[in-house]
Amino acid sequence: GAVVSQHPSRVICKSGTSVKIECRSLDFQATTMFWYRQFPKQSLMLMATSNEGSKATYEQGVEKDKFLINHASLTLSTLTVTSAHPEDSSFYICSARGGLAGGGLTYEQYFGPGTRLTVT
Amino acid sequence: AQKVTQAQTEISVVEKEDVTLDCVYETRDTTYYLFWYKQPPSGELVFLIRRNSFDEQNEISGRYSWNFQKSTSSFNFTITASQVVDSAVYFCALSEVNTGGFKTIFGAGTRLFVKA
Repeated sequence: GAVVSQHPSRVICKSGTSVKIECRSLDFQATTMFWYRQFPKQSLMLMATSNEGSKATYEQGVEKDKFLINHASLTLSTLTVTSAHPEDSSFYICSARGGLAGGGLTYEQYFGPGTRLTVT
Repeated sequence: AQKVTQAQTEISVVEKEDVTLDCVYETRDTTYYLFWYKQPPSGELVFLIRRNSFDEQNEISGRYSWNFQKSTSSFNFTITASQVVDSAVYFCALSEVNTGGFKTIFGAGTRLFVKA
């Protein structure tokens, strides 16, 4: 099946700094990417949906100025946590959907392995 | 709006017991997909099954089976003869095609402990 990678897998940063997380689709073109956040022992919460070349659509309650999403190419989306604080410490997971040869989107959604962010 | 409810927060069984994880969903869309994922301690989601709203056939894959009933909006997952390696968090998820833009929404998850 299709593979989605995330980098880094783990990151520790100091409060006030910004952290960038990359999500790549390795063997398909991801027209749509999703970013999720998961706190310990909780479910995955959708943060935003991004389509290649356009602005991301954020879920209610997610600060777009804090969580900057860029989907500049069909294989790469980035999530930047700006001015990170300890409460931003979480497990961030991206997923990607690809395009079909004849147009439209496949229903298949492939998840990355996640990035564990710790803000000290 | 789409919603997924997994009422069982934690389940503990002894190895070789059968266990059923419940999932109830809400949607106004007529076309949707249902999923089950396993999340081991490593955190990476493991895809188990996908079902579309037009396919109510139950499915069996080895020790795993799924019971999809549109009449009760349920998509339950049964593990037969559970093993210690089945210990993980299991998520049920829903994607609406027409109204949800294919966003996948997850239930709260059920943590399964299988004791030897």
